[in-house]
Amino acid sequence: NAGVMQNPRHLVRRRGQEARLRCSPMKGHSHVYWYRQLPEEGLKFMVYLQKENIIDESGMPKERFSAEFPKEGPSILRIQQVVRGDSAAYFCASSPTDRGSSYEQYFGPGTRLTVT
Amino acid sequence: AQKITQTQPGMFVQEKEAVTLDCTYDTSDPSYGLFWYKQPSSGEMIFLIYQGSYDQQNATEGRYSLNFQKARKSANLVISASQLGDSAMYFCAMREEYTGTASKLTFGTGTRLQVTL
Repeated sequence: NAGVMQNPRHLVRRRGQEARLRCSPMKGHSHVYWYRQLPEEGLKFMVYLQKENIIDESGMPKERFSAEFPKEGPSILRIQQVVRGDSAAYFCASSPTDRGSSYEQYFGPGTRLTVT
Repeated sequence: AQKITQTQPGMFVQEKEAVTLDCTYDTSDPSYGLFWYKQPSSGEMIFLIYQGSYDQQNATEGRYSLNFQKARKSANLVISASQLGDSAMYFCAMREEYTGTASKLTFGTGTRLQVTL
């Protein structure tokens, strides 16, 4: 049973380019979460999606960032016109449910984005 | 106010000794879950242990146990018989069932544990 897959693992972009980060949840999981980890910091929630729906995007920056989780295919986190401050590790997690508080979120290996 | 506070930026422990990593939390939600994750230098997030707010017993998982003191709002991780492979960052996290979107995890800033010979 494959875990959460993220690609690419490392991504280098020049300032002003677009970054696309992909996440395939665990089999049977329909809930996807994106978190960002700045250097030497904890993870910060960005967005929570179910298939074709954004449930909570309260942690997403207002501009340049967007996320989707289409009916078919992986979830995508898109960052337009990247700036140096976007350099971070971006983690995707998935869960089989969102009911209650006890379920575990399974994390992918992360995508390390470096903006030069 | 910080929802999750980890006051120890770094800790050292000798191999085979036990170590306690502190975590306090702040919530008014009656139902919540507390999690500990390990992040080795390779960067992945590894789930260690979970404690529910209504659980009567402290959670245990192999060499990991959670010292849950609800009245003090603390959920300290205890690692027994430390091994060199335990050297990593450790994050405490919380999920609140009724506050905002129930699904997101709120993380602390982490504690870097170094196990020495």
